Amino acid sequence: AQSVTQLDSQVPVFEEAPVELRCNYSSSVSVYLFWYVQYPNQGLQLLLKYLSGSTLVKSINGFEAEFNKSQTSFHLRKPSVHISDTAEYFCAVSPYSSASKIIFGSGTRLSIRP
Amino acid sequence: EAGVTQFPSHSVIEKGQTVTLRCDPISGHDNLYWYRRVMGKEIKFLLHFVKESKQDESGMPNNRFLAERTGGTYSTLKVQPAELEDSGVYFCASSPVGRLNTEAFFGQGTRLTVV
Repeated sequence: AQSVTQLDSQVPVFEEAPVELRCNYSSSVSVYLFWYVQYPNQGLQLLLKYLSGSTLVKSINGFEAEFNKSQTSFHLRKPSVHISDTAEYFCAVSPYSSASKIIFGSGTRLSIRP
Repeated sequence: EAGVTQFPSHSVIEKGQTVTLRCDPISGHDNLYWYRRVMGKEIKFLLHFVKESKQDESGMPNNRFLAERTGGTYSTLKVQPAELEDSGVYFCASSPVGRLNTEAFFGQGTRLTVV
């Protein structure tokens, strides 16, 4: 079985400050890794994903995440946040062997202060 | 191209009533999934259709939940009778053939409140 732990339920930061949203997972099989984002009053959107290859993956809006197999982590970072990044962020995994399911963490609500 | 569409966006019903949620996937997507988020907890898998066939329904909580996908297009999720613990946000997602969860697109969700 797989599980995903997002250590922080809420992260308040000031605009233009850096941010890191932490994610650890547990799995006995290899997994794909994802970060999804839900902006206020919108649906879930895929922010970035790691399938294979380079362990550092980036989104079009400046977020990046690094897959660390030894620490079973996939933390999300951004060097300088904007008000528009206010949203809830979900870390998720999907096992290679049964790719029909996504297993989500409980979400981290990122709030940006001006 | 239209995304995944869910109806209604909100629903408030009394305990014991019946509610039907609808999901229209992206055109041509054979894979359709239902997920649920209860009370700010993690989003949990309910079931997976490939066209009109249920591929995996291991996440369905009990027999009060019935999902259908007639003709392999839109899907409905019926809760009958609804209980208080069914309150939450129900998400639908779809993906193309062969892509499964590496390219899943989600809808906006239906917020269900059972009172």
